[in-house]
Amino acid sequence: GQNIDQPTEMTATEGAIVQINCTYQTSGFNGLFWYQQHAGEAPTFLSYNVLDGLEEKGRFSSFLSRSKGYSYLLLKELQMKDSASYLCAVRFTGGFKTIFGAGTRLFVKA
Amino acid sequence: NAGVTQTPKFRVLKTGQSMTLLCAQDMNHEYMYWYRQDPGMGLRLIHYSVGEGTTAKGEVPDGYNVSRLKKQNFLLGLESAAPSQTSVYFCASTTRIGGETQYFGPGTRLLVL
Repeated sequence: GQNIDQPTEMTATEGAIVQINCTYQTSGFNGLFWYQQHAGEAPTFLSYNVLDGLEEKGRFSSFLSRSKGYSYLLLKELQMKDSASYLCAVRFTGGFKTIFGAGTRLFVKA
Repeated sequence: NAGVTQTPKFRVLKTGQSMTLLCAQDMNHEYMYWYRQDPGMGLRLIHYSVGEGTTAKGEVPDGYNVSRLKKQNFLLGLESAAPSQTSVYFCASTTRIGGETQYFGPGTRLLVL
């Protein structure tokens, strides 16, 4: 089966750190994406993890544990512009079929 | 280099009408995808294509048909629109080699009355 879970909403304070979790149950796992989506806009790519471990890109980091079916997106030094939805997506082998979770709406408050 | 473009940006249909959404990419990508996004939900895969002349069903294919006659274009058709198909439709593409990033189009907002 294909099941991707992430929290519906989170709130954090400007300048703080927030971790958005994603768990998945899939077969034929190829990799895991994180996307950012502002209201009314298309998703934009943040990260792609294929192997276990942490990948860091500036203020954003993404972690993957394939054995646990678990990933998180870590956002540091939060800014107001980080208020958006964050989508976790799993790619499958063979054709790169990609399934998205429902997304986590992050609210950054002053 | 326009990336991924979608036509039209917005459309209103009456129940039972038909229409075709066009997705075009100029990055020579092999794989293309159609998603729909409803309020409070993530993207759900409708159909996808791994190359010219080939298509496959995604999570929610019913009520939609697709065609990939040219590598750069991926068409999504609604033969008989229903109010349940009111949604925002996103097209995306990626390369076969590597393909770490899916490039998304700006979306098409469809309202079915």
